[in-house]
Amino acid sequence: QKEVEQNSGPLSVPEGAIASLNCTYSDRGSQSFFWYRQYSGKSPELIMSIYSNGDKEDGRFTAQLNKASQYVSLLIRDSQPSDSATYLCAVNKRAAGNKLTFGGGTRVLVKP
Amino acid sequence: DADVTQTPRNRITKTGKRIMLECSQTKGHDRMYWYRQDPGLGLRLIYYSFDVKDINKGEISDGYSVSRQAQAKFSLSLESAIPNQTALYFCATSEPKGADTQYFGPGTRLTVL
Repeated sequence: QKEVEQNSGPLSVPEGAIASLNCTYSDRGSQSFFWYRQYSGKSPELIMSIYSNGDKEDGRFTAQLNKASQYVSLLIRDSQPSDSATYLCAVNKRAAGNKLTFGGGTRVLVKP
Repeated sequence: DADVTQTPRNRITKTGKRIMLECSQTKGHDRMYWYRQDPGLGLRLIYYSFDVKDINKGEISDGYSVSRQAQAKFSLSLESAIPNQTALYFCATSEPKGADTQYFGPGTRLTVL
């Protein structure tokens, strides 16, 4: 079992719709959770971080964390073609020395 | 100017050659990381350094070595490159406190023939 798992996609979403991305992790000691967006051939850029159970909203993005079920999700509202990218979920296990473990990423395609 | 820079941005080399990838940062962060990314896979940690005297192996360190020349510089070396080291390499930095957010450089695309 991978430590951090994501559906590789592609997740095809009509423009203006909500894109829903999921990520599960195996280590219950995980304490910090991140979503990075990566355009093809470019470096990952942080779009959301979340540390406690519940929802965190930032503009069109909402991160949801459920530690009991060991999953973190990302919602993208009013999806735009510019949101087409790969979204990487990353988990920080503090017991492991503050290292991030990344999932394989979910590719999102927003169609006009 | 970019906060995290990597050189070279692209490199083609031959099997058996020694190659060094360099990373510099102006963010003043203590922690630096080297990752590789292969198509369809996430980022995998090669080495990380929490300060100039603290260097640690990541999950895929075999075939690689690193040098932390200063707080701002962290180099990755492939002593004898092999084709399966063809990948996209990223350097990242983070602060020791706070959100542990990592900031990535632009990447180096390495091809080993």
